Amino acid sequence: QQQVKQSPQSLIVQKGGISIINCAYENTAFDYFPWYQQFPGKGPALLIAIRPDVSEKKEGRFTISFNKSAKQFSLHIMDSQPGDSATYFCAATGDKTSGSRLTFGEGTQLTVNP
Amino acid sequence: NAGVMQNPRHLVRRRGQEARLRCSPMKGHSHVYWYRQLPEEGLKFMVYLQKENIIDESGMPKERFSAEFPKEGPSILRIQQVVRGDSAAYFCASSRGLSSTEAFFGQGTRLTVV
Repeated sequence: QQQVKQSPQSLIVQKGGISIINCAYENTAFDYFPWYQQFPGKGPALLIAIRPDVSEKKEGRFTISFNKSAKQFSLHIMDSQPGDSATYFCAATGDKTSGSRLTFGEGTQLTVNP
Repeated sequence: NAGVMQNPRHLVRRRGQEARLRCSPMKGHSHVYWYRQLPEEGLKFMVYLQKENIIDESGMPKERFSAEFPKEGPSILRIQQVVRGDSAAYFCASSRGLSSTEAFFGQGTRLTVV
């Protein structure tokens, strides 16, 4: 019940294209859904996050779409750039007793070709 | 120093030795989380601490691993009698409080057991 499922495992996109990464969760107690970006040898960096009271959040080229009834959320990267090439993790948290403890998806390795 | 600081960045230990990993949270953050990332895998929760308290250690192996967050000084993740399977990247994250808030990660400590 604590799992977060992420797909695809890897994704190759041409420069200027749209990258879409999907996640699904089971625990209805989750109420905060962040996305992290990780470059090789670095720590995960918070990219964008959403709460279930909204269906979409946009920050620059990054958009989260959230479907509460389906328990799914996705990250869209518009106008993808080679510099976006990284591993992306979705995550979820929300059990009030566990603070900001995150349950992560398995990660998506994104490659944006020039 | 605005970020989560982890040291050392790289640590090499022989089998049977002890490894000590340190984490200083962001200024104003009193909650610390440790995660482990095996090669080509996602991040797995290990332990959640507040100052002088372990809140949730459900992800910590029962033997050889311990964590503390003293009143003064950094949080310490201690691995005794290391084995090759302990080789991984260990990340620390910090957050401000109990509610579902943003968690920020350090750059990690890459432990190699030879």
